[in-house]
Amino acid sequence: AQSVTQPDIHITVSEGASLELRCNYSYGATPYLFWYVQSPGQGLQLLLKYFSGDTLVQGIKGFEAEFKRSQSSFNLRKPSVHWSDAAEYFCAVGAPWAPGRRALTFGSGTRLQVQP
Amino acid sequence: DADVTQTPRNRITKTGKRIMLECSQTKGHDRMYWYRQDPGLGLRLIYYSFDVKDINKGEISDGYSVSRQAQAKFSLSLESAIPNQTALYFCATSEAGGSDTGELFFGEGSRLTVL
Repeated sequence: AQSVTQPDIHITVSEGASLELRCNYSYGATPYLFWYVQSPGQGLQLLLKYFSGDTLVQGIKGFEAEFKRSQSSFNLRKPSVHWSDAAEYFCAVGAPWAPGRRALTFGSGTRLQVQP
Repeated sequence: DADVTQTPRNRITKTGKRIMLECSQTKGHDRMYWYRQDPGLGLRLIYYSFDVKDINKGEISDGYSVSRQAQAKFSLSLESAIPNQTALYFCATSEAGGSDTGELFFGEGSRLTVL
C-alpha cells in the first residue's frame, strides 16, 4: 500500500525567507508525486507534479520540488516566501497503472504561516 | 464558472438526518472521487467511480453511500448523519485512459456540521 508522511504539521517563516516542506512516501516503485496547496476557504490547487525524468520540477507561484529516490522524498521548496503563500500544503502519491490502487493518497498536510 | 461544482457549500444538520452532497463537473472526465478532510488527517478517500457503472469503496466508506447519476454527476449521501462525520468534503475528477496521470481536479469543498 502507498503512504505519504509530512513530518511538519505547522511551519512559520518570515516573509522573504526560504522555505522547505518535507514529504516522504512509501511505495514499491517510483510513484507519481504531487504537491497541492489549499488557501483558507478554498479547494486544492495543484502546485507541481513529478512523473519521470528530471528530478527537479518547477511549479506555479515560484515553487519547485526535488525527487530523491534514495530518500523516498519529494520536498517542496521556495527561495523567498510571500505573505500570500500562507496556506496548507499537501503532498500526494499515486500509481494509476497499479491494479487495485487508482486514487491519490494524501499526507496529513503542513500548515504554513508567514510572519511579516 | 468552476469546472467542478459542489452543493451545498455549507450545511448544518442534526444527528440522524439524511444528507446528500452533490458534485457536478464540466471537465468531461470519466473518473470522480469523494474525499473527506479533517484537521491533522489530510484527505481520506471515501468513494471513487471510474465510470457510471463502476463504483468503488475507499478507505473510509462506512456510513456513506454514493450515486453516479451521469458522467458529470456524483453524489455522496450520509443516510443517518453522526457528529463524527463533521468535516470538509471534497469532490474531485481525473482523466482516464492514456491521459490518466492520477492528477486530481478539486471542487471548492462542502463543509458539513452534524450537531
